Amino acid sequence: DAKTTQPPSMDCAEGRAANLPCNHSTISGNEYVYWYRQIHSQGPQYIIHGLKNNETNEMASLIITEDRKSSTLILPHATLRDTAVYYCIVRVWDSGGGADGLTFGKGTHLIIQP
Amino acid sequence: AAGVIQSPRHLIKEKRETATLKCYPIPRHDTVYWYQQGPGQDPQFLISFYEKMQSDKGSIPDRFSAQQFSDYHSELNMSSLELGDSALYFCASSSRDRPNSPLHFGNGTRLTVT
Repeated sequence: DAKTTQPPSMDCAEGRAANLPCNHSTISGNEYVYWYRQIHSQGPQYIIHGLKNNETNEMASLIITEDRKSSTLILPHATLRDTAVYYCIVRVWDSGGGADGLTFGKGTHLIIQP
Repeated sequence: AAGVIQSPRHLIKEKRETATLKCYPIPRHDTVYWYQQGPGQDPQFLISFYEKMQSDKGSIPDRFSAQQFSDYHSELNMSSLELGDSALYFCASSSRDRPNSPLHFGNGTRLTVT
């Protein structure tokens, strides 16, 4: 799976949009971009994923650049409960039978300031 | 909605003892994954199973073994425990029938080896 690069930490004011960048310059055509977050000592929580189109769900939006070499996770109205480590992960979907586990990198520690 | 259930939540063992961790996936999920997260570390993939067969293997020590049963639940067996095995152990599940199905994680078992 391609490697990702994220800033180690970010701050964001409560109520503002949090924009978390991720670089995945070696991503290949069949790799999806997944975002997870982990609140202290809890299990990682799935947020969103996409291939090349922008995606939105009730939690966040995912913007993927046209060349797919980078993406941004957007939390539109950050709250204190959004303080967590956010992981950007690229993963091959092997519909032929592979069950690849996610490979977690270092992630971004997002701190929401009151 | 039903989530991934792990038991026990906490486990304390002594060196050289054995431990068994259990994971009950989300209903109709056929694939389970095990992860280990040491203090201050990111989750590390150990092993995965699909339809009771080992599907992928990560950095799982030889002292550990796992299996998936006919009801899709999984158990991680750990023998000759060492102090360094103290960690959070997460189980995740997904459904291969749904393309690009994300992994959903349980809240983990905290293993302390003394």
